Amino acid sequence: AQSVTQPDIHITVSEGASLELRCNYSYGATPYLFWYVQSPGQGLQLLLKYFSGDTLVQGIKGFEAEFKRSQSSFNLRKPSVHWSEAAEYFCAVAASGGKLIFGQGTELSVKP
Amino acid sequence: DAGVIQSPRHEVTEMGQEVTLRCKPISGHDYLFWYRQTMMRGLELLIYFNNNVPIDDSGMPEDRFSAKMPNASFSTLKIQPSEPRDSAVYFCASRYNTGDGYTFGSGTRLTVV
Repeated sequence: AQSVTQPDIHITVSEGASLELRCNYSYGATPYLFWYVQSPGQGLQLLLKYFSGDTLVQGIKGFEAEFKRSQSSFNLRKPSVHWSEAAEYFCAVAASGGKLIFGQGTELSVKP
Repeated sequence: DAGVIQSPRHEVTEMGQEVTLRCKPISGHDYLFWYRQTMMRGLELLIYFNNNVPIDDSGMPEDRFSAKMPNASFSTLKIQPSEPRDSAVYFCASRYNTGDGYTFGSGTRLTVV
């Protein structure tokens, strides 16, 4: 069955530091992969997506993610984090039928 | 485009009452999804529609939950009777193609007391 694992429940980084959020997926075919961000009390906003082509994808707000088939991973990165980016981040895979399956999320805290 | 519109934003109701949540997808999107978010279970897919037809309702927790999509621009999720364990944030999302990503509404925070 398709699934997504985000190993880190909570991560704290200092403002200006780099960020990497981990995501591992389980899917038989070439997956459609997504990263979403959810600020407190808000809905989910799409940061970036991957479904074919270049394995390094660029998203909004300076985020990028790299698809590594050999590791079944799709980690999210950003070179320098701003305090306003403290939020919950979700990795998701589009499963059969097109439904999105989400990981449990990683809560990001940013220290001033 | 105004995005996916959900109403109400907040709902507080007493146990045993009927609750109806509403969703207006983005025009032209032919898939609509209902998700529930709780601290314990994260984001769960409840049901989704394609061209107004329910495709997969295996995530609907029990018979107290029902969803309809009478036309391409409107969907409802109904809970009758409601219970405290139904308290959660309910999200609606829509999409056209899988590769386009999914657009989420702002959610309805339901509290059953």
